[in-house]
Amino acid sequence: GNSVTQMEGPVTLSEEAFLTINCTYTATGYPSLFWYVQYPGEGLQLLLKATKADDKGSNKGFEATYRKETTSFHLEKGSVQVSDSAVYFCALSDLGGADGLTFGKGTHLIIQP
Amino acid sequence: ETGVTQTPRHLVMGMTNKKSLKCEQHLGHNAMYWYKQSAKKPLELMFVYNFKEQTENNSVPSRFSPECPNSSHLFLHLHTLQPEDSALYLCASSLDYGYTFGSGTRLTVV
Repeated sequence: GNSVTQMEGPVTLSEEAFLTINCTYTATGYPSLFWYVQYPGEGLQLLLKATKADDKGSNKGFEATYRKETTSFHLEKGSVQVSDSAVYFCALSDLGGADGLTFGKGTHLIIQP
Repeated sequence: ETGVTQTPRHLVMGMTNKKSLKCEQHLGHNAMYWYKQSAKKPLELMFVYNFKEQTENNSVPSRFSPECPNSSHLFLHLHTLQPEDSALYLCASSLDYGYTFGSGTRLTVV
């Protein structure tokens, strides 16, 4: 079956530091890959996505590249802000996208001023 | 406002109560989902509806009963729940690979 593995954290960084959150996946087909963000007391918001190998998703300074050879989709940002503090979820969707998302456990990111 | 609206936002219920969670979307999406989010665990996909037809039930106990009367509305009927069912219940909808989540209902079973 499908699965997603990501570092759980918490990850604590200082403002303006470089961020990497690792994500690897196992899938039977050729999935689409996603990063979602969850702020306290809220639901999940799509941060970025990539639908095929070598695609790069980007949004709000965050980037992730779909690496089929390493089955990875690591999230990066060059300079984090306090407002980036949240829980980040890596996810995949297979089989045409109508069967729901498989999520990792989430990474709690804390940015200190 | 995300486009997917869930009510209520918070719910406290006793183990003998019956309650329902509601989810509504007017995004033109054709699939709707219920997820359970518990502390320290990955989000669990509970139910999937495609074009109002249930296509997946991930071994969810029968005390959870979904209903999808049309492509815009999804309900989760709850009865005789257990304290371990306390969690954040998230609704989502999708069209192809575009998923949108609601803000969730925080359920506490006492």
